[in-house]
Amino acid sequence: QQQVKQSPQSLIVQKGGISIINCAYENTAFDYFPWYQQFPGKGPALLIAIRPDVSEKKEGRFTISFNKSAKQFSLHIMDSQPGDSATYFCAARAYSGAGSYQLTFGKGTKLSVIP
Amino acid sequence: DSGVTQTPKHLITATGQRVTLRCSPRSGDLSVYWYQQSLDQGLQFLIQYYNGEERAKGNILERFSAQQFPDLHSELNLSSLELGDSALYFCASSVYRASDSTDTQYFGPGTRLTVL
Repeated sequence: QQQVKQSPQSLIVQKGGISIINCAYENTAFDYFPWYQQFPGKGPALLIAIRPDVSEKKEGRFTISFNKSAKQFSLHIMDSQPGDSATYFCAARAYSGAGSYQLTFGKGTKLSVIP
Repeated sequence: DSGVTQTPKHLITATGQRVTLRCSPRSGDLSVYWYQQSLDQGLQFLIQYYNGEERAKGNILERFSAQQFPDLHSELNLSSLELGDSALYFCASSVYRASDSTDTQYFGPGTRLTVL
């Protein structure tokens, strides 16, 4: 199973609040889990990523929590700001052969941070 | 700016036609990936090239094909276009970092294809 399930589909958070986006996967061959941020009219951009041997990674206001046994990972955005309003994609990487890797993306979460 | 360029930015065409989308990867990146993004399907991986060779195929239709040239730019060819092919098409390039076994994909700004 290559699927990555992401929830919620959309999220509205007040400024200063915590935004939480969850992802789940089945394929235990996934070995790297990046999150991408996409603003309207732009391509996705890497936000933060984690390897499965780590349970948490924090970069500024963004934190990934990873639960290997449950095959779940989540993005937490602390002190959410209107500028964080964007679509967020979780992804999972698997080796696809011939020295190459392939990303499988969740369907995205549209985050709106209201003042 | 990711360093990945894509042309054209917008493309409007009719059903049954053929179009070519172009991508120039970041300097030094050997891998190029193509993705299709539609509202209901999210980001779907189409195909990957590495240094001119096809490396992986995803959900790419037989009407679609791609290639990577010696200067590492890539083209995605879409033929016999259907209404359902209307979507954003993204190209990404990456470099593998052996120190931590990670490879970051850098996405271009995309080409919005509208099939009428």
